[in-house]
Amino acid sequence: AQTVTQSQPEMSVQEAETVTLSCTYDTSESDYYLFWYKQPPSRQMILVIRQEAYKQQNATENRFSVNFQKAAKSFSLKISDSQLGDAAMYFCAYRSRDSGYALNFGKGTSLLVTP
Amino acid sequence: GAVVSQHPSWVICKSGTSVKIECRSLDFQATTMFWYRQFPKQSLMLMATSNEGSKATYEQGVEKDKFLINHASLTLSTLTVTSAHPEDSSFYICSANQGWLVTEAFFGQGTRLTVV
Repeated sequence: AQTVTQSQPEMSVQEAETVTLSCTYDTSESDYYLFWYKQPPSRQMILVIRQEAYKQQNATENRFSVNFQKAAKSFSLKISDSQLGDAAMYFCAYRSRDSGYALNFGKGTSLLVTP
Repeated sequence: GAVVSQHPSWVICKSGTSVKIECRSLDFQATTMFWYRQFPKQSLMLMATSNEGSKATYEQGVEKDKFLINHASLTLSTLTVTSAHPEDSSFYICSANQGWLVTEAFFGQGTRLTVV
């Protein structure tokens, strides 16, 4: 079974600064998808960014980018120019055919953004 | 983008009663839907995978007789919590795949269930 590990229960960043959230995963598959989801207090799951394992290029979405290290099974999220609205729980997630394409989530990182 | 509507957003029920939660894909056909449970300050845990027209596949430790899942059409899956107990109080979230597209999962708004 695949496992997703987020080792940072809480992180704090000052507004306009940059923060990196860590995620590692364990899998024996070569074809899979990785995601970062944001869950604000409303608890609606919001897709931040995704990465297909077969793509070598790191995904980028505006202020959000990932550092995908396939050999190391690492998938970190970098948030640049942090904004107050970025404060939320962030979940790293994995999906593949082996799991029936269900999402397997890490435990989450609570991000606090200070003015 | 694809929209998934989950209803109700919150529900309070008495112990021993049953409650049904609906998950609808509004503008696409959802071949597969997933049900997750999230306890306070915890992550989402997969409960079951629901495929249209077939029986749901439950994760280990999830009682299929307590959590009845029906996926009778390509746009609707329902989760019924039967004989609810206070320990069933949780946040339940559904997600759906758009056809065979697996690059994104579309989530409902979630249902907060409180059993008193």
